[in-house]
Amino acid sequence: DTEVTQTPKHLVMGMTNKKSLKCEQHMGHRAMYWYKQKAKKPPELMFVYSYEKLSINESVPSRFSPECPNSSLLNLHLHALQPEDSALYLCASSQTKQEITTGTQYFGPGTRLTVL
Amino acid sequence: KNQVEQSPQSLIILEGKNCTLQCNYTVSPFSNLRWYKQDTGRGPVSLTIMTFSENTKSNGRYTATLDADTKQSSLHITASQLSDSASYICVVNRGSTLGRLYFGRGTQLTVWP
Repeated sequence: DTEVTQTPKHLVMGMTNKKSLKCEQHMGHRAMYWYKQKAKKPPELMFVYSYEKLSINESVPSRFSPECPNSSLLNLHLHALQPEDSALYLCASSQTKQEITTGTQYFGPGTRLTVL
Repeated sequence: KNQVEQSPQSLIILEGKNCTLQCNYTVSPFSNLRWYKQDTGRGPVSLTIMTFSENTKSNGRYTATLDADTKQSSLHITASQLSDSASYICVVNRGSTLGRLYFGRGTQLTVWP
């Protein structure tokens, strides 16, 4: 199984709502990532988890809160978002740090988020 | 400054024709370079990954080349198909730091029948 799954596929939320994005992989990867991608732009790294611990936070606003409950799951909790946060949110995973030089990130299909 | 530049920004070709996409980078130190295909609204899918010592790597109709001296890579698509219509993104991995990938803006390829 070389698949990263994400739910939901589409999400529309108001600025006062609280919602969560979910990501799951069963490849035994110990590094998982959240990216944000605006239209016609490359993905921008948000967070990196390594062995279920937050390794990198690219100065993301606190209205985005990541969580890694176990080695297969990665969540992104959303609260009080702004319309400019509307984007495609991509989850990815890769093998451990020791294999980073030759490893490949596997991306999920993304969640299309619209903030009204 | 670590950058990845791709050209052309967009390209239209007829089905069955070949095409070549370009990627220039200034990322240092260099670890590896990947080409991804991204369909609209979907996540990127890896096509090839090349390290410093590799010059050419093929994946079916896709052939990537790398010149680490000039910091240039190309992706050649042979006998294009309608399903090749997508954005092709060049991504460079800097050093061995987890997660430090530098993305190009992509080349939007459209294949017409």
